[in-house]
Amino acid sequence: QKEVEQDPGPLSVPEGAIVSLNCTYSNSAFQYFMWYRQYSRKGPELLMYTYSSGNKEDGRFTAQVDKSSKYISLFIRDSQPSDSATYLCAVWPSGAGSYQLTFGKGTKLSVIP
Amino acid sequence: NAGVTQTPKFQVLKTGQSMTLQCAQDMNHNSMYWYRQDPGMGLRLIYYSASEGTTDKGEVPNGYNVSRLNKREFSLRLESAAPSQTSVYFCASSEQREGYEQYFGPGTRLTVT
Repeated sequence: QKEVEQDPGPLSVPEGAIVSLNCTYSNSAFQYFMWYRQYSRKGPELLMYTYSSGNKEDGRFTAQVDKSSKYISLFIRDSQPSDSATYLCAVWPSGAGSYQLTFGKGTKLSVIP
Repeated sequence: NAGVTQTPKFQVLKTGQSMTLQCAQDMNHNSMYWYRQDPGMGLRLIYYSASEGTTDKGEVPNGYNVSRLNKREFSLRLESAAPSQTSVYFCASSEQREGYEQYFGPGTRLTVT
């Protein structure tokens, strides 16, 4: 079983829709949960991260972690065509010697005007 | 402030040829990383350097070597290119060893024929 599973999509929604992107992970040692956004032919950029369980909100974006079910979510409200990109979830374990960021395969999102 | 820069942007090699991908960051970050991104496989870590003077293998190191030339620069070398190394290569850096917040370069698209 891969450490992080993510539905690759593609996902197509109309402008203004609420988007829900999800990942599951297998290792309960993970403590940091990230969402990276990657525009076509560009490098990924960090969108937001959460530590341990709970929600974090940044403008139209909300990241949610449920450690009991090992589930990571990213919600985008009032989606815009500029949100069209591939969204990668990533996890990072805590503790000494933990240097590897593990990525999901990414979900490609298209927001249609 | 250019962030993370990579050269070249594109490269075509014949099987058996060698080349070096260059990466530099101007953010005074301690840790640097090399990833490859393939369709359906996501981002996979090749090598990383937690700090100047150290390098370690990631998930897919076979066929590659790295050099942390100084704090700014981290190069990736393919000694004898193979078609399986056709991919998009990304360099990234992070301020801390706990590098969940990574900054990525624009990528190098490599084709091996």
